[in-house]
Amino acid sequence: GAVVSQHPSRVICKSGTSVKIECRSLDFQATTMFWYRQFPKQSLMLMATSNEGSKATYEQGVEKDKFLINHASLTLSTLTVTSAHPEDSSFYICSARVQFNQPQHFGDGTRLSIL
Amino acid sequence: LAKTTQPISMDSYEGQEVNITCSHNNIATNDYITWYQQFPSQGPRFIIQGYKTKVTNEVASLFIPADRKSSTLSLPRVSLSDTAVYYCLVGDSYSGAGSYQLTFGKGTKLSVIP
Repeated sequence: GAVVSQHPSRVICKSGTSVKIECRSLDFQATTMFWYRQFPKQSLMLMATSNEGSKATYEQGVEKDKFLINHASLTLSTLTVTSAHPEDSSFYICSARVQFNQPQHFGDGTRLSIL
Repeated sequence: LAKTTQPISMDSYEGQEVNITCSHNNIATNDYITWYQQFPSQGPRFIIQGYKTKVTNEVASLFIPADRKSSTLSLPRVSLSDTAVYYCLVGDSYSGAGSYQLTFGKGTKLSVIP
């Protein structure tokens, strides 16, 4: 149980392109979903927290107009990287959990490469 | 904001028990302690979660002393496939200001040697 599916697993695109990443909880309803970014050999950095039906809460330093998050249902959240540039290249990982203080369950990540 | 400190790396031979300790001196009353395993180019995988004393599941044990300022993940009889980065995550206490206090530390890179 507790499976989180993230799609696509890898994206390579030109600078200026917008990229959408989907995160789905397959066998549970997630009241909260999280988006992380991880650079090579570094730890996970929380970008934003999203609760179903409400606006996402962004961490300090994360541009909300660049990283658009939508959490339209209890099983789906999307992250759109708008007008992506090479510095946005990273490993993006989502997670979902049922409720406060329950473990997060992570997707397998999306490797984003901007040329 | 509870920050965690773990050893950067550990080596162990196959078949041995491995204990990884995480320090979290500023843990809040409502905070749980959760451990994750991450392989390269994959998302973290949940291992175990606890609040106090000892928790055991089919893959690991988690020991938490009474003051809760540290925790120890115990992996019995490790194998080569346990080579990974292990993170302890403390928090999830809603800050009240619209964000969650979720901070991953640097993790511990465990290398299992044949």
